[in-house]
Amino acid sequence: QSALTQPASVSGSPGQSITISCTGTSSDVGSYNLVSWYQQHPGKAPKLMIYEGSKRPSGVSNRFSGSKSGNTASLTISGLQAEDEANYYCCSYAGSRIFYVFGTGTKVTVL
Amino acid sequence: EVQLVQSGAEVKKPGESLKISCKGSGYRFTTYWIGWVRQMPGKGLEWMGIIYPDDSDTRYSPPFQGQVTISADKSISTAYLQWSSLKASDTAMYYCATSGAPYGLDVWGQGTTVTVSS
Repeated sequence: QSALTQPASVSGSPGQSITISCTGTSSDVGSYNLVSWYQQHPGKAPKLMIYEGSKRPSGVSNRFSGSKSGNTASLTISGLQAEDEANYYCCSYAGSRIFYVFGTGTKVTVL
Repeated sequence: EVQLVQSGAEVKKPGESLKISCKGSGYRFTTYWIGWVRQMPGKGLEWMGIIYPDDSDTRYSPPFQGQVTISADKSISTAYLQWSSLKASDTAMYYCATSGAPYGLDVWGQGTTVTVSS
């Protein structure tokens, strides 16, 4: 099971919107609407931002949204803020044998 | 409040064994899976495996099968990750996280740093 493919970096100015892609295969992203997204600031534990493709846990800003088309999932951050600067990882359910596979990670920079 | 508290940082020599822990509180420990994630220095998150504490049903990501052992003691609400013979390449931060599988990893522990060096 190979890691899901994400762009290494994405940047945007405050107030702008950015989108991070997460490309898998028909064995993971394409088979299940079960992609989750995590935000990780340096030196901190990851934090769940999106689950089941587009659902936000309580307390997560509605500036974060998720979607999926075919084998590619996406995370969009609208109204970019300085505090959004972090690494973001996607993760897909990949079946009951191994459960999950992570993406390669994307560094978001707020210009 | 749902919380996972992991054991402290470890410094070990190659060939030594190690068992790190992850203690859950604030929820019914036996009803959620607990997963383990590796993060090597400066690198991304890697999925290692997962356990259902109620019956110890365990699944491993292929790269970690046979390299580590995941276990749990539901009587003390604690999950474990262990190595029988550490290598320098096991140097990393290890996180545990709850999972209402297959929906993702909800609550994360603070991480345990493992350093393996001669």
